[in-house]
Amino acid sequence: GENVEQHPSTLSVQEGDSAVIKCTYSDSASNYFPWYKQELGKRPQLIIDIRSNVGEKKDQRIAVTLNKTAKHFSLHITETQPEDSAVYFCAASNPNAGKSTFGDGTTLTVKP
Amino acid sequence: GAGVSQSPRYKVAKRGQDVALRCDPISGHVSLFWYQQALGQGPEFLTYFQNEAQLDKSGLPSDRFFAERPEGSVSTLKIQRTQQEDSAVYLCASSRQGTRGVDTQYFGPGTRLTVL
Repeated sequence: GENVEQHPSTLSVQEGDSAVIKCTYSDSASNYFPWYKQELGKRPQLIIDIRSNVGEKKDQRIAVTLNKTAKHFSLHITETQPEDSAVYFCAASNPNAGKSTFGDGTTLTVKP
Repeated sequence: GAGVSQSPRYKVAKRGQDVALRCDPISGHVSLFWYQQALGQGPEFLTYFQNEAQLDKSGLPSDRFFAERPEGSVSTLKIQRTQQEDSAVYLCASSRQGTRGVDTQYFGPGTRLTVL
């Protein structure tokens, strides 16, 4: 089955700096890669996603890149703000498997 | 519109008790997923429904876990004879389309189950 690895597990940056979180996946059939933000005690919320037919997608301060050959994708947050502090999860979805496999999460702390 | 809702939000059970967790998906969403999230980890897939059909239950950890969605909307996850290792947050998610795994999943707030 699919295996998703996420790094780093914790990340601390100064307000205004950039943050990068990386994920690798194992199943070449996976074709949909969402990123979720989860604040303490709250539900995961989708912040950006990318499908395998594109290599990059951007939404204001957030961008995601995908390298299908290497089977890895990354989340980039620029001009970080304290409210960006949360746990971020990547996931890989295989349309034939009927489920998403999640990484173990990255705890991002943005220091004011 | 209303998002995915789950009840109860918190459940404390004594070891050996049965529990039932409810999920109300977004109206009209075809697909419904259950996940188990242990502390400090990502959601782990349990089972998946397309309408009332349970298409994948490969993630259910044991035969004590049972899920149903009889009318293709509300779903219930039942855990029989709860064990301490069942303690976790149980997340439900729904997506609009029936296409497996390629549509945005919207999560509920979860049910935090604590087994004493």
